[in-house]
Amino acid sequence: GAGVSQSPRYKVAKRGQDVALRCDPISGHVSLFWYQQALGQGPEFLTYFQNEAQLDKSGLPSDRFFAERPEGSVSTLKIQRTQQEDSAVYLCASGEGSEAFFGQGTRLTVV
Amino acid sequence: DQQVKQNSPSLSVQEGRISILNCDYTNSMFDYFLWYKKYPAEGPTFLISISSIKDKNEDGRFTVFLNKSAKHLSLHIVPSQPGDSAVYFCAAPDNYGQNFVFGPGTRLSVLP
Repeated sequence: GAGVSQSPRYKVAKRGQDVALRCDPISGHVSLFWYQQALGQGPEFLTYFQNEAQLDKSGLPSDRFFAERPEGSVSTLKIQRTQQEDSAVYLCASGEGSEAFFGQGTRLTVV
Repeated sequence: DQQVKQNSPSLSVQEGRISILNCDYTNSMFDYFLWYKKYPAEGPTFLISISSIKDKNEDGRFTVFLNKSAKHLSLHIVPSQPGDSAVYFCAAPDNYGQNFVFGPGTRLSVLP
């Protein structure tokens, strides 16, 4: 399809395990955002890319979180040494101008 | 920092009636706001937007009203349909206008 694609849809990780979440944005979209959505809450901003440049990473909760977009298209959000509080849905969005289109999200459960 | 509040966590409305979802924000440096709708197990989908040059934007059954002086916006759905049952998020620009800050959402249930 032509929308934002995220994989995997679901991920169960043991505490302390590293995980990598992938986002395939809409082709040609310059902006790419990662959001974290905890149960019962709205999405919270993590980081923002414009092409391959990470312009804002102020929302990353700790240095265990790392995001990259090396060629300005696909992005990967990596979480090292996962903790239970990392359990959430991770949403990726790509956009042009002021509108962002979201993927279905990756639900991460840390056990 | 921009803060977005949606003070009603849930709302139940009878089919055919009007649904009114409210949103308050704190930073009006960038007056452009979005509403997203989210079904379970899906990502949020864009619904409707409004910018400061207008105080109302209408798209079919959905109308968004902006009160800049009160830093308040509302989404009206008329008439409400069961398929409108979802979580609705309001989003406002952050302090730099580069990304959006989301409210906690309002879960709308339209009863047949």
